Amino acid sequence: EVQLVESGGGLVQPGGSLRLSCAASGFTFSSYSMNWVRQAPGKGLEWVSYISSSSSTIYYADSVKGRFTISRDNAKNSLYLQMNSLRAEDTAVYYCARDPARSMDVWGKGTTVTVSS
Amino acid sequence: QSALTQPRSVSGSPGQSVTISCTGTSSDVGGYNYVSWYQQHPGKAPKLMIYDVSKRPSGVPDRFSGSKSGNTASLTISGLQAEDEADYYCCSYAGSYTSVYVFGTGTKVTVL
Repeated sequence: EVQLVESGGGLVQPGGSLRLSCAASGFTFSSYSMNWVRQAPGKGLEWVSYISSSSSTIYYADSVKGRFTISRDNAKNSLYLQMNSLRAEDTAVYYCARDPARSMDVWGKGTTVTVSS
Repeated sequence: QSALTQPRSVSGSPGQSVTISCTGTSSDVGGYNYVSWYQQHPGKAPKLMIYDVSKRPSGVPDRFSGSKSGNTASLTISGLQAEDEADYYCCSYAGSYTSVYVFGTGTKVTVL
């Protein structure tokens, strides 16, 4: 079964850091680009970051550029999002999503990040 | 890059058809044939319903169809069923390195 499972969310103070992980199974992880997408409470979906299959191409939304770092380990079938200098507005459910080509066809269940003092 | 514009809500009775619009610009919807649509039930992850404007992934009922004209894309649900009640989001590839994808504002579909 094709599956993505996020982990690493939690409660963090403003200015703090958190590292999210996404474990992939059931498909050849190294063949696919991946994305992180977030959804603030009661709000819509927001694209956060993209990484190509070989990590050669990486993009970030303006709202997180300079604070978040996306990476992957194809040997471990894992995707990561290092989040630094967290703000209240980063509070959201964070989803990882597989990107076969200009769409997102498989999504994880999400992990919740709460930034609050 | 601003979010794509969708109606806040649409509704229909079982068996009817509803259409959700998604308006962007020539830099996103109008510039690429890479519009996708996602269904999200409360507390659940989004599910891909349409990709590349009008293609359906395996397992998605053919009641769901997509189209595009200029800077506006549309999702039509024919033969509305109770389980179609959910939030729907459009998404367009935008090609900019600071905005690879842009999502729509979301539409709540209510089955009366």
